[in-house]
Amino acid sequence: RKEVEQDPGPFNVPEGATVAFNCTYSNSASQSFFWYRQDCRKEPKLLMSVYSSGNEDGRFTAQLNRASQYISLLIRDSKLSDSATYLCVVNGGGSNYKLTFGKGTLLTVNP
Amino acid sequence: DAGVTQSPTHLIKTRGQQVTLRCSPKSGHDTVSWYQQALGQGPQFIFQYYEEEERQRGNFPDRFSGHQFPNYSSELNVNALLLGDSALYLCASSSNGPFYGYTFGSGTRLTVV
Repeated sequence: RKEVEQDPGPFNVPEGATVAFNCTYSNSASQSFFWYRQDCRKEPKLLMSVYSSGNEDGRFTAQLNRASQYISLLIRDSKLSDSATYLCVVNGGGSNYKLTFGKGTLLTVNP
Repeated sequence: DAGVTQSPTHLIKTRGQQVTLRCSPKSGHDTVSWYQQALGQGPQFIFQYYEEEERQRGNFPDRFSGHQFPNYSSELNVNALLLGDSALYLCASSSNGPFYGYTFGSGTRLTVV
């Protein structure tokens, strides 16, 4: 099983749509979780951290289910500018310091 | 406040050559990680430096080595370049600890011909 697995995508949605990204992770000792966004040929940028209680930032909502080792990201009222690759990221936990990235899911929002 | 800076931005090398990539972390960050990103893939962890030592390493051969300096800046060295080493190399800095996300530099795009 891969350390971090995401929906393969790509997703093509119209402006205004709601889109959900799903991610699972294999290491139950992981302590921190993030969603990053990466535009074409650019570096990844932190979109939001993910907390156990769930958290929201404007149109973006992240959820974490530790029992199922599952993370999600919901984007409401999608904009053209949301078009990017969304990367699910998990830290190793304990003395495993690295952040492990999923392969990413490409989102294209169409006019 | 300068973010993470990497140099050079682009590089073309021949098979068998050696390359050195450089990274200056964001102000206030003391931990530097290096990632390799091939086209269509997520970033793959190469190694992480903290307190001038390699703290953790990913599944990369010994041809990949690095260094961290007292000012927290870092270098990534790759020897005996292979065609498969062509990728975007990303440097990320963070504060020490498991709950901090990384700030990435814009990367060095390495092409091996």
